[in-house]
Amino acid sequence: EVQLVESGGVVVQPGGSLRLSCAASGFTFDDYAMHWVRQAPGKGLEWVSLISWDGGSTYYADSVKGRFTISRDNSKNSLYLQMNSLRAEDTALYYCAKDIKKWGYSYDLDYWGQGTLVTVSS
Amino acid sequence: QSVLTQPPSVSAAPGQKVTISCSGSSSNIGNNYVSWYQQLPGTAPKLLIYENNKRPSGIPDRFSGSKSGTSATLGITGLQTGDEADYYCGTWDSSLSANYVFGTGTKVTVL
Repeated sequence: EVQLVESGGVVVQPGGSLRLSCAASGFTFDDYAMHWVRQAPGKGLEWVSLISWDGGSTYYADSVKGRFTISRDNSKNSLYLQMNSLRAEDTALYYCAKDIKKWGYSYDLDYWGQGTLVTVSS
Repeated sequence: QSVLTQPPSVSAAPGQKVTISCSGSSSNIGNNYVSWYQQLPGTAPKLLIYENNKRPSGIPDRFSGSKSGTSATLGITGLQTGDEADYYCGTWDSSLSANYVFGTGTKVTVL
């Protein structure tokens, strides 16, 4: 059974930093690209970032480019999101999600975690 | 503000059919595949449709997807109370700031 479990969400002050983690199991982690998607309270979905299966390629939404860094450790079946210079508008539930395509990426996300809540507030 | 526009809500009685539209442009839907997600209250999104009309394993054929020009449509037949949820379309947008984008979301209510 595929499982994705996010952690690391907390309350942080504006301008602060935070690192989210996502522990994956139930599939061959290093065969698939992984994504972060967020959802502000009561709002819709916003794609945040993608990392390729081998970590060699990364992509970001304009809203987080230059502030967030996605990474992965295939030896630990783990995905990360380093978040710097946090703003109030970054407040959201952050989901990690698996791409459906093996050894590539399609942005079709077939498994999602339950999310971890990041609140940016003074 | 999303570049993909969906109706805020649709509703129908159990057993009936609903369709949800997703309107975009040539920089997104017009030249890229569309996916659809279902988000039940308090849960993570679930992939219903990918590559315009393909269903992942385990998704019933009551759910269908189609695309024409710069619009896409999700259809749900044999509506059930368990289908009450928010539904989002998604696709790649190749405009100046290339990004993956989700639609504005549609709340389906079973009367």
